[in-house]
Amino acid sequence: AQKVTQAQTEISVVEKEDVTLDCVYETRDTTYYLFWYKQPPSGELVFLIRRNSFDEQNEISGRYSWNFQKSTSSFNFTITASQVVDSAVYFCALRFQGAQKLVFGQGTRLTINP
Amino acid sequence: DAGVIQSPRHEVTEMGQEVTLRCKPISGHDYLFWYRQTMMRGLELLIYFNNNVPIDDSGMPEDRFSAKMPNASFSTLKIQPSEPRDSAVYFCASDLGLAGVFNEQFFGPGTRLTVL
Repeated sequence: AQKVTQAQTEISVVEKEDVTLDCVYETRDTTYYLFWYKQPPSGELVFLIRRNSFDEQNEISGRYSWNFQKSTSSFNFTITASQVVDSAVYFCALRFQGAQKLVFGQGTRLTINP
Repeated sequence: DAGVIQSPRHEVTEMGQEVTLRCKPISGHDYLFWYRQTMMRGLELLIYFNNNVPIDDSGMPEDRFSAKMPNASFSTLKIQPSEPRDSAVYFCASDLGLAGVFNEQFFGPGTRLTVL
């Protein structure tokens, strides 16, 4: 079965702190794809990053970075020097090869306090 | 290029009424998805289409829900009759779907449905 677990339901930090959002996935497939989406208070879902199962390189984009480890089936997301505008619900999602649908985790609500 | 367009953005209706949600995917995208988001169940896929053909409707809750895609630029999700438990945010998303290439899904702004 395909499953995504985001164990952290809510996280609250003070601005400028670093914060890591955890994502653990389950799949029997050797080829699969992982995604992160952001849902700000306005409600839309914004794509952040995608990664395929053969690419374990970590990625950095500004203050955002992603750590993909197949050995632990994790695809964690770190925000460095967090800002109030980072406050949102963040979703991790899994797609396995041959299927177009996404399996979403339950989301982590991140609150950055000034 | 415009993103995924959904209408209406908000819908308030009374139990028993028919509700129709509309979606226009990004031009050129071959896949269209309907999701529902609730506090209890999170984001769940209801149905998706490839080239206007329904591929997987296993997430459709019951016969009260139906979805159509009469052409590449338009899809509807209908609930008849509506019930209070259908209250949720309904998202439409589209995907380029190129063979051999994995793509992200682009989401519309959602329709917030309230059934009284």
